[in-house]
Amino acid sequence: NAGVTQTPKFQVLKTGQSMTLQCAQDMNHNSMYWYRQDPGMGLRLIYYSASEGTTDKGEVPNGYNVSRLNKREFSLRLESAAPSQTSVYFCASSEDRYSNQPQHFGDGTRLSIL
Amino acid sequence: QQQVKQSPQSLIVQKGGIPIINCAYENTAFDYFPWYQQFPGKGPALLIAIRPDVSEKKEGRFTISFNKSAKQFSLHIMDSQPGDSATYFCAASKTKLVFGQGTRLTINP
Repeated sequence: NAGVTQTPKFQVLKTGQSMTLQCAQDMNHNSMYWYRQDPGMGLRLIYYSASEGTTDKGEVPNGYNVSRLNKREFSLRLESAAPSQTSVYFCASSEDRYSNQPQHFGDGTRLSIL
Repeated sequence: QQQVKQSPQSLIVQKGGIPIINCAYENTAFDYFPWYQQFPGKGPALLIAIRPDVSEKKEGRFTISFNKSAKQFSLHIMDSQPGDSATYFCAASKTKLVFGQGTRLTINP
C-alpha cells in the first residue's frame, strides 16, 4: 500500500523556469493538500482540494497553481520559479476535510531554485 | 501571523528522560489538536491527537496534556528512546491544519 506518492523527490530549477509537482494517493481519500516546509516555519498550507473538482487557497498561495486531475491526483505548478520558493513540498490526503480526520503525508519534493 | 506557537525549537534528552514539548494557540474555534512526528527525509506522520473536551490522552509512551483555559497543550514522551529522535510538530484545526514551528528532539543513548 503506497499511500501518498510524490514525484519528483528532488529538483533544481533556474529562476523563471516552470515545473509541476505530482501527487497521487491510493487510499480513496476525498481531500488533498499541498504544504511547504521551511526551517523554523513549520508546514504552511499552499492550496487544498476538499473534494474532486474543487480547489481553494491556503495560507501561502501566491506563485502557485493547482489542479485536481481526478480523485487520486493533485498537482502543484510553479509557473515562474523564484528563489523564495526553494523549499520542501509535501502533499497530503485525508478522508474528508473535517477536522478530526488524520492527514497522510507523502515523503516530499525537495526543490531548489537558483 | 503564527496561530500556533511551539517551544522549544530543539531539545536534547538522555535516554529514559521525559521530553516535554509545548504549544499555545490563539483561535478558540480550533477543535482538534494533533501531533505529528517526522523523521529525516520523510513526511510527517500522525502520532497522537486530542479534542478540547479531554484534558489528557495517552497512547503508549506518548501523552498529550490539554489546558483549554490557558489555550495550551503539550506532548510528553515517557521512557524516551534514541528511536524517538525526530522533529515533532503540534497542530490545531477547525477545518484546516495550522502547524507549529516544530521541535527537533534528540535522545542521547
